Amino acid sequence: QVTLRESGPALVKPTQTLTLTCTFSGFSLSTSGMCVSWIRQPPGKALEWLALIDWDDDKYYSTSLKTRLTISKDTSKNQVVLTMTNMDPVDTATYYCARTTSRWGGSYWTRWFDPWGQGTLVTVSS
Amino acid sequence: QSVLTQPPSVSEAPGQRVTISCTGSSSNIGAGYDVHWYQQLPGTAPKLLIYGNSNRPSGVPDRFSGSKSGTSASLAITGLQAEDEADYYCQSYDSSLGHVFGTGTKVTVL
Repeated sequence: QVTLRESGPALVKPTQTLTLTCTFSGFSLSTSGMCVSWIRQPPGKALEWLALIDWDDDKYYSTSLKTRLTISKDTSKNQVVLTMTNMDPVDTATYYCARTTSRWGGSYWTRWFDPWGQGTLVTVSS
Repeated sequence: QSVLTQPPSVSEAPGQRVTISCTGSSSNIGAGYDVHWYQQLPGTAPKLLIYGNSNRPSGVPDRFSGSKSGTSASLAITGLQAEDEADYYCQSYDSSLGHVFGTGTKVTVL
């Protein structure tokens, strides 16, 4: 059974750096095709993909947020960490991590998110 | 902000059929990238419903089906049930933006 769980602060102040940890079980990030992504959802709004790290330690970021994001993994601990700098109230959201499966489609990788963690609500306020 | 557009809401009576569209462009769906669909029940995390345009993970009822054509994709739900009341999101890849989600559609069972 694959499970993921997000952990981190529930409240951060503007300009601070957010650090979130995703602890997972049931799969290995050393396995070819396996990745972990971070996705967020502001209250009442749509989902937004943030970052992805793959089995080969390649990292991919949202174009609009890439200057603020860093993703890393500790394969031995089954953890993936996301840091987001210079937090702002508009960053208030539920942050999810999700196992991401990659499949080669002949000319590109196709990736989908399954399963997801339960999410952690992060509020940015002074 | 999302480059994948979905209708904000659809509603239908139990037992009926609904379809949800996901409209993209030549830099995402139209470029050939696959579309995946997620169901988000109230207060819960999203759940994968369809992957690779039309494939159902094990455990997903065959009432749910997906298709893709040109710059758009669709999710169809037949035999609508009260438990299908949720938000639904499409997801694909954009050559400029990375992984992208749709604007989301709320399905209401009348």
